[in-house]
Amino acid sequence: QLQLQESGSGLVKPSQTLSLTCAVSGGSISSGGYSWSWIRQPPGKGLEWIGYIYHSGSTYYNPSLKSRVTISVDRSKNQFSLKLSSVTAADTAVYYCARGITGDPATFDYWGQGTLVTVSS
Amino acid sequence: DIQMTQSPSSLSASVGDRVTITCRASQSISSYLNWYQQKPGKAPKLLIYAASSLQSGVPSRFSGSGSGTDFTLTISSLQPEDFATYYCQQSYSTHMYTFGQGTKLEIK
Repeated sequence: QLQLQESGSGLVKPSQTLSLTCAVSGGSISSGGYSWSWIRQPPGKGLEWIGYIYHSGSTYYNPSLKSRVTISVDRSKNQFSLKLSSVTAADTAVYYCARGITGDPATFDYWGQGTLVTVSS
Repeated sequence: DIQMTQSPSSLSASVGDRVTITCRASQSISSYLNWYQQKPGKAPKLLIYAASSLQSGVPSRFSGSGSGTDFTLTISSLQPEDFATYYCQQSYSTHMYTFGQGTKLEIK
């Protein structure tokens, strides 16, 4: 059974960089044509897709966040990561990592449990 | 951006009821429409993909229909574990994927 687990700093100061990692177990991040996404959800609000990466390293980002987002993959550790720079209170959210199915990178069949990141001084 | 609008925003129903949730896209998205279920404190769970395909392991009381701009999620006979928030999501607009605002299904 594939499992995804987010980790990283839960509290980030305004203007700093948010960093999260998603560890994948029960399967290889390099197998198949899957995409690996980050999605976030502000408290009490809806979902926002941030971006995804393929095991090849190709990345695709939400245009509204593109200037601040970097997603990278570490195949040796079977994990992928998110960096979001110049954060503000508006970036406070639960951040999820998720897998996109083969053939449709934006259909998410496996999700991590989510991790709350709070932006505050 | 393609806007996804769900209705209703909230809904009260009883165990055994048949429930329908609607999702409308601001432009045609063919059948690139997914439905997710989210319970409090949990990650969303994929129920329906490509408008009408049932995800593996999801009970058959869940079904989806529609194409173009109008879509529905139907639960044929509500069970206690179905009370949750439901989101639609379009996967049509490359790299500009968007979700609906959610429909909260509550016990009457």
